[in-house]
Amino acid sequence: QKEVEQNSGPLSVPEGAIASLNCTYSDRGSQSFFWYRQYSGKSPELIMSIYSNGDKEDGRFTAQLNKASQYVSLLIRDSQPSDSATYICAVNFAGGTSYGKLTFGQGTILTVHP
Amino acid sequence: KAGVTQTPRYLIKTRGQQVTLSCSPISGHRSVSWYQQTPGQGLQFLFEYFSETQRNKGNFPGRFSGRQFSNSRSEMNVSTLELGDSALYLCASSLLAGHSTGELFFGEGSRLTVL
Repeated sequence: QKEVEQNSGPLSVPEGAIASLNCTYSDRGSQSFFWYRQYSGKSPELIMSIYSNGDKEDGRFTAQLNKASQYVSLLIRDSQPSDSATYICAVNFAGGTSYGKLTFGQGTILTVHP
Repeated sequence: KAGVTQTPRYLIKTRGQQVTLSCSPISGHRSVSWYQQTPGQGLQFLFEYFSETQRNKGNFPGRFSGRQFSNSRSEMNVSTLELGDSALYLCASSLLAGHSTGELFFGEGSRLTVL
């Protein structure tokens, strides 16, 4: 069973701080990794994708991937109350077929307080 | 560019009934995936269609079915509804096989309540 695990939180950080969200996955064959953000009552929105080891930065967001340790993380710098949402990690394992299997974590609730 | 459109947004059914949900993907997108989201289970993959063919299927019973039309619009059907089917059903579109690539654009969802 391919699994993706996240701490459900809630993770509470003060405004302006760095929020660190972590995700571990069980399948070493996993090839692509995604972070989705879901505001309460809304649908998930893709905010980051990462495919190779190391860091990928996009504005205040940085995704970090370590395939050897099988974890992917999302850092949010200068956190704002508007960042308060559930962050869902998704991992794609292509396996031996042409079509991959995307597996989602349960999501981490982030609350940024003023 | 219009986003993913799902209808109906809310519906209430009783046990034993069936329901059909509709999804119109972003123009030009050929892949439509369906997901069930519940507080306890998170996002669970139902199935994916690409160019009218089911390309991937999750671990749901046969009561859950879907199809895709030539214009890429998709429908999913749930027959013999059970209380546990109460959930938010999300449709996602992608230019390519989205469930495989992970780059999905979600609709607002159809919230189903089974009484």
